[in-house]
Amino acid sequence: DIQMTQSPSSLSAYVGDRVTITCRASQTISSFLNWYQLKPGNAPKLVIYAASSLQTGVPSRFRGSGSGTDFTLTISSLQPEDFATYFCQQSYSTPITFGQGTRLEI
Amino acid sequence: QVTLKESGPVLVKPTETLTLTCTVSGFSLSNGRMGVSWIRQPPGKALEWLAHIFSNDEKSYSTSLKSRLTISKDTSKSQVVLTMTNVDPVDTATYYCARISQRTVTTYDAFDIWGQGTMVTVSS
Repeated sequence: DIQMTQSPSSLSAYVGDRVTITCRASQTISSFLNWYQLKPGNAPKLVIYAASSLQTGVPSRFRGSGSGTDFTLTISSLQPEDFATYFCQQSYSTPITFGQGTRLEI
Repeated sequence: QVTLKESGPVLVKPTETLTLTCTVSGFSLSNGRMGVSWIRQPPGKALEWLAHIFSNDEKSYSTSLKSRLTISKDTSKSQVVLTMTNVDPVDTATYYCARISQRTVTTYDAFDIWGQGTMVTVSS
């Protein structure tokens, strides 16, 4: 199985800050890396797909980058609605695997 | 509009079998590239992929749960069913179904649409 290592596990920031979350795969996954946002009581939301493509309707302050084994999710100018938990996920092969999550707190 | 909705029991006793149903609308389970996955999240823990099924009946399962899971679909009802045998309190989680499409034989696109999830508690 491909292991996804995500860091940090939690992060405190202020509105207006720029934050970066990293995700590392245990083997190359090309660009088959996706990012999700989870908020309590809501369905998970796809934010970035294929490592760097912005899902329709997601603000442009979200940016994904990377390929191979190392990936990042950057949120520039944090807004109050961005405080949530973020997960990376590889779709390169089954079993599909997720990172451990990053809780972004105010 | 594409939607997925999970349904199933709220409470299950240890050793029983859990059956969850995902009812989809806005897309067809007979579309060659479309499929549905089940994913769960125990309280305070990470997301865990469980299984998926595609229109050609291709199925795949989590390595650690493979012996306990069965996924199936009823295209006429637009439903995907997941059964999990011999449940344990560690299976307590919110269970989600999500749409997925197949990019190639071995690669996939992201989970673009998710259901709201259904919370299942395993307790005697």
